[in-house]
Amino acid sequence: GNSVTQMEGPVTLSEEAFLTINCTYTATGYPSLFWYVQYPGEGLQLLLKATKADDKGSNKGFEATYRKETTSFHLEKGSVQVSDSAVYFCALLFSNSGGSNYKLTFGKGTLLTVNP
Amino acid sequence: ETGVTQSPTHLIKTRGQQVTLRCSSQSGHNTVSWYQQALGQGPQFIFQYYREEENGRGNFPPRFSGLQFPNYSSELNVNALELDDSALYLCASSGRPNTGELFFGEGSRLTVL
Repeated sequence: GNSVTQMEGPVTLSEEAFLTINCTYTATGYPSLFWYVQYPGEGLQLLLKATKADDKGSNKGFEATYRKETTSFHLEKGSVQVSDSAVYFCALLFSNSGGSNYKLTFGKGTLLTVNP
Repeated sequence: ETGVTQSPTHLIKTRGQQVTLRCSSQSGHNTVSWYQQALGQGPQFIFQYYREEENGRGNFPPRFSGLQFPNYSSELNVNALELDDSALYLCASSGRPNTGELFFGEGSRLTVL
């Protein structure tokens, strides 16, 4: 079936460190891929997306590239800030009914803590 | 522009009881999806409503049911509560069905004792 696997957390970094959160997926066909972020006390927010192979999604300094050959969508940021502390979820959008009723499937989430 | 709001924010029920959770979608959105998020897990899709009709369902038993109203607000009903139903229930709205660009509320935390 279709699934998303994220690296286990928690991840703790110092401010200005480089961030990578790994995400790989299993899917039939070509799903769209997403990263969502959940800041403390807030609802999930869409961070970035990519809809086809080799697309790069980017937002707020975060980037992720849709790699079909490695079925991956790793999240990266060159220099993290304390305000980036949150839970990050990788997700894929697919249909299991022949082109209708698409739904988001989420990974388990990775808690990131950035220390000053 | 009003975001997605959910109520109640927290509630405690006992096994066997029934619960209703409510969601107001973001202004202009006609589609509502419900997700269950157990502690330490990612959200799991329950179902989606588009223009008052169910438009897809995840692997949840029939005791999980829903409604969408003409103003696109929605309810999630769970009958015969079980201990494993304890979770954060998330509502998300979108401007169209079958999209991954969802706008989430902060959730309703249900505890079943």
